[in-house]
Amino acid sequence: GAVVSQHPSRVICKSGTSVKIECRSLDFQATTMFWYRQFPKKSLMLMATSNEGSKATYEQGVEKDKFLINHASLTLSTLTVTSAHPEDSSFYICSARDWASGSLNEQFFGPGTRLTVL
Amino acid sequence: GIQVEQSPPDLILQEGANSTLRCNFSDSVNNLQWFHQNPWGQLINLFYIPSGTKQNGRLSATTVATERYSLLYISSSQTTDSGVYFCAVDPGGSYIPTFGRGTSLIVHP
Repeated sequence: GAVVSQHPSRVICKSGTSVKIECRSLDFQATTMFWYRQFPKKSLMLMATSNEGSKATYEQGVEKDKFLINHASLTLSTLTVTSAHPEDSSFYICSARDWASGSLNEQFFGPGTRLTVL
Repeated sequence: GIQVEQSPPDLILQEGANSTLRCNFSDSVNNLQWFHQNPWGQLINLFYIPSGTKQNGRLSATTVATERYSLLYISSSQTTDSGVYFCAVDPGGSYIPTFGRGTSLIVHP
């Protein structure tokens, strides 16, 4: 159990276009999902916390107009990188918390999306 | 905010060797998890261990919350153990996770 999927796994786009990344909890309901960004050989940097039915909470320094997050249901959150530029190229990872499990606060991660902006 | 320090930053082992990875945190925590990030980037849950000791096969973990540290033990290491090991905590009073910088492990055959 506790499987999180992410789509697409890899995307290459032109500068100026927008890219949408989906994060789904497949076998549980996730009231909270997190979006992270990871640079090569670096740790995970939390971008925002996404709660179902409410606006996302962004970490300091993350542009909310640039990285649009929607958490419309208990199993789906989306991250849209708007007007992408080469500096947005990175590995984006989502995670979800399974509030119904015995470990109320255990995070489960999706496989990540590698974004390359040309 | 809370500081999470992992040591060592890098570790190279011969297959079959044992190792201990450490995670120190600067304040009280609600939760603590250990993850293994494989070469393809997937983070795999190893332990959810805000306190106490757990074992799963060749891996075990101990968290001493009062002394603000956690240890991950890997015994009889295998090449498939290679990757980066992360510790992540939720600071007390918050459920927003903070990650350490990780320990990069390479196991040679």
